[in-house]
Amino acid sequence: GAVVSQHPSRVICKSGTSVKIECRSLDFQATTMFWYRQFPKQSLMLMATSNEGSKATYEQGVEKDKFLINHASLTLSTLTVTSAHPEDSSFYICSARPLVVLAPTYEQYFGPGTRLTVT
Amino acid sequence: TQLLEQSPQFLSIQEGENLTVYCNSSSVFSSLQWYRQEPGEGPVLLVTVVTGGEVKKLKRLTFQFGDARKDSSLHITAAQTGDTGLYLCAGAYGNKLVFGAGTILRVKS
Repeated sequence: GAVVSQHPSRVICKSGTSVKIECRSLDFQATTMFWYRQFPKQSLMLMATSNEGSKATYEQGVEKDKFLINHASLTLSTLTVTSAHPEDSSFYICSARPLVVLAPTYEQYFGPGTRLTVT
Repeated sequence: TQLLEQSPQFLSIQEGENLTVYCNSSSVFSSLQWYRQEPGEGPVLLVTVVTGGEVKKLKRLTFQFGDARKDSSLHITAAQTGDTGLYLCAGAYGNKLVFGAGTILRVKS
């Protein structure tokens, strides 16, 4: 159980175009999903917290107009990188917190990640 | 500054050796989780520790949560080449997880 999928797994796009990444919880409902960015051999950097039916909360330094997040259902969140540039190239990972989760564990289950390359 | 200090950042050992990874903070966490990540994949949850002083074992891996819930350790006994990967600790802080910088472990045969 607790499987999270991401699509696509890899994407190459041209500078100036937009790319959408989907994150789905396959066997559970998630009111909260998180989007992370990871550079090679480094830890995860939280970009934003996405709550179903409401606006995402972005971390300091993350441009909300550039990284559009939509959490339309309890099983799907999307991240759209708008007007992508080469510096946006990275590994993007989503995670989902089950609807029913015992505090104080706050466990999150991670997707397999999406490798974005902007040329 | 990182809320969670993880050390060491890199570890290269021979198969069969033991190792310990540490996560330390000045903040108290309601829980702390350890993840393992392989290149090109997402992190996989290994364990969650909740109670101060708690010790959990997962085969050759032993996880400990400090009494004050500010620190944790991961000890691997008789490391195998399959243990190679990035190990991440993460503390529950409010509604989020705060990650340590990660430990890249390489186990050589």
